[in-house]
Amino acid sequence: AQKVTQAQTEISVVEKEDVTLDCVYETRDTTYYLFWYKQPPSGELVFLIRRNSFDEQNEISGRYSWNFQKSTSSFNFTITASQVVDSAVYFCALSEAKGGSYIPTFGRGTSLIVHP
Amino acid sequence: EAQVTQNPRYLITVTGKKLTVTCSQNMNHEYMSWYRQDPGLGLRQIYYSMNVEVTDKGDVPEGYKVSRKEKRNFPLILESPSPNQTSLYFCASSRGTLKTDTQYFGPGTRLTVL
Repeated sequence: AQKVTQAQTEISVVEKEDVTLDCVYETRDTTYYLFWYKQPPSGELVFLIRRNSFDEQNEISGRYSWNFQKSTSSFNFTITASQVVDSAVYFCALSEAKGGSYIPTFGRGTSLIVHP
Repeated sequence: EAQVTQNPRYLITVTGKKLTVTCSQNMNHEYMSWYRQDPGLGLRQIYYSMNVEVTDKGDVPEGYKVSRKEKRNFPLILESPSPNQTSLYFCASSRGTLKTDTQYFGPGTRLTVL
């Protein structure tokens, strides 16, 4: 069975600080997908990234970066120079690829509060 | 504008009264799915569809039905709603499952079943 752990329930930082959100996963499959989503206070869900298990290259998108470490089963998300607009709940998710379809398992989320 | 629309956004209903939450996307996406979000339980997938007439159960399909007669629409049907289906529901779509396939979410439907 697949499992996703986001051990940090809440993180509080001051603007311009860098912050890393941890995500540790468990799966028996060799083929799987990892995701990050953002849910701002307004409640909508925003897709941030999808990564498959064969692609261990780190990814950078503006102030966002993701570090995928298969050896430690982690897919951590770093926000550089955080801003108040980054305040949100962030979810990590994992889905095993079975026959081309998949059912994601989500972590419980990390609430990030960025103070001005 | 690329978007996923859901209707209604808010709904209060009573136990047993059939309801449908509509979901429509204008991006010609093949993949669509429904999630529910509950405090303490997080997000869970209800059903998904890989293409027209192809649907499959997610994590928590009990009490729900879906259909995919057209590519753009993926309605969620509660034949006999119960209070434990009170939740926040999200519909999502994506072109596929590649790294470059962005997943788009609807604005959410907050359902209360009395």
